[in-house]
Amino acid sequence: EPEVTQTPSHQVTQMGQEVILRCVPISNHLYFYWYRQILGQKVEFLVSFYNNEISEKSEIFDDQFSVERPDGSNFTLKIRSTKLEDSAMYFCASSGDITDTQYFGPGTRLTVL
Amino acid sequence: DAKTTQPTSMDCAEGRAANLPCNHSTISGNEYVYWYRQIHSQGPQYIIHGLKNNETNEMASLIITEDRKSSTLILPHATLRDTAVYYCIVRVALPPSANNLFFGTGTRLTVIP
Repeated sequence: EPEVTQTPSHQVTQMGQEVILRCVPISNHLYFYWYRQILGQKVEFLVSFYNNEISEKSEIFDDQFSVERPDGSNFTLKIRSTKLEDSAMYFCASSGDITDTQYFGPGTRLTVL
Repeated sequence: DAKTTQPTSMDCAEGRAANLPCNHSTISGNEYVYWYRQIHSQGPQYIIHGLKNNETNEMASLIITEDRKSSTLILPHATLRDTAVYYCIVRVALPPSANNLFFGTGTRLTVIP
């Protein structure tokens, strides 16, 4: 069964450093998403991406964040200068169409020291 | 914000049916009811969704009341592996609002041996 994969499973970084979180969406899907979950809190939407453009983003997704589809398979989330409060689980999701079910990856745990 | 209300927690005996309720009294005609679950801090796992009619798949059944103001997710024979947080999400089925999922706090289901 096709699934969304994410790497790394755990990323530790120093405050102020740049990090790139990677995702491989399900192969025939066209819509891609990032969500995050701070420990003990709700899963929060960050951004959606389609046709090499951001289609929607939340207030959390400020100028420190960017997304990219660098090739035909990967979808990345970059945080330019990490802060302590960026520590969270980051989940990638994909769907075939905008109204289709979103399928989530296993997540990357980001720890900012 | 999430437009659903769920009990904070529930217990269920192993092998018995788990019935998880959800209230969505402000649901509109173009909104689906989606159910996801999250085991520990893993990525949300899609379970089932529906619009008006009851739905069943290999994981669960979804019963939606005739007025669509509430629904029940049924796990017919709960196992220990079904211990998780279950999220009921109302989602607009039309673009562009169909993009993001609003996760609430969900119901923490504990399956007891």
